[in-house]
Amino acid sequence: EVQLVESGGGLVQPGGSLRLSCAASGFTFSSYSMNWVRQAPGKGLEWVSYIGSSGNTIYYADSVKGRFTISRDSAKNSLYLQMNSLRAEDTAVYYCARDQREWLGTYYFDYWGQGTLVTVSS
Amino acid sequence: EIVLTQSPGTLSLSPGERATLSCRASQSVSSYLAWYQQKPGQPPRLLIYGASSRATGIPDRFTGSGSGTDFTLTISRLEPEDFAVYYCQQYGSSLTFGGGTKVEIK
Repeated sequence: EVQLVESGGGLVQPGGSLRLSCAASGFTFSSYSMNWVRQAPGKGLEWVSYIGSSGNTIYYADSVKGRFTISRDSAKNSLYLQMNSLRAEDTAVYYCARDQREWLGTYYFDYWGQGTLVTVSS
Repeated sequence: EIVLTQSPGTLSLSPGERATLSCRASQSVSSYLAWYQQKPGQPPRLLIYGASSRATGIPDRFTGSGSGTDFTLTISRLEPEDFAVYYCQQYGSSLTFGGGTKVEIK
């Protein structure tokens, strides 16, 4: 069974940093592209970042470019999101999500974690 | 950035009725469009990709259609578990989501 479990969320002050993790199991993690998608409280979905299966292809939404860094560790079956210079508008539930197909990035997502809440507030 | 506009914002229907949800793109995304269903407190669930292909395990009452800039998700006969928020997502140029359509019980 495919499982994605996020962790690392919490309360952080504006300008602070946080590192999110996503532990993957039930599939060959190294074969799939992965993503972070966020959802502000009561709002819609916003794609944040993509990383290819090998880690060599990375994309970011303009809203987080230069502040967030996505990475992965296939030995640990884990996906990460390093978030720096956090702003109030980054407050959201952050989901990790898997691309549907192995190897080729599909850019739509067939498995999602339950999410971790990040609150940026003083 | 490609903007996706979903309409209506809210659809009030009864179980057994047909639901028609619209998603319009600000420029062509070819058939690079997906639909998701989200229930309160849960992550989204992939329903449709490639504008019209059903994801694994999705009942055939869910049908996606369209190409270019105009897309439709049709639920032929609403079941009680179908009342939720639906999002479209384009992946033709970067990735963006629509604002969602809430399907509520009338």
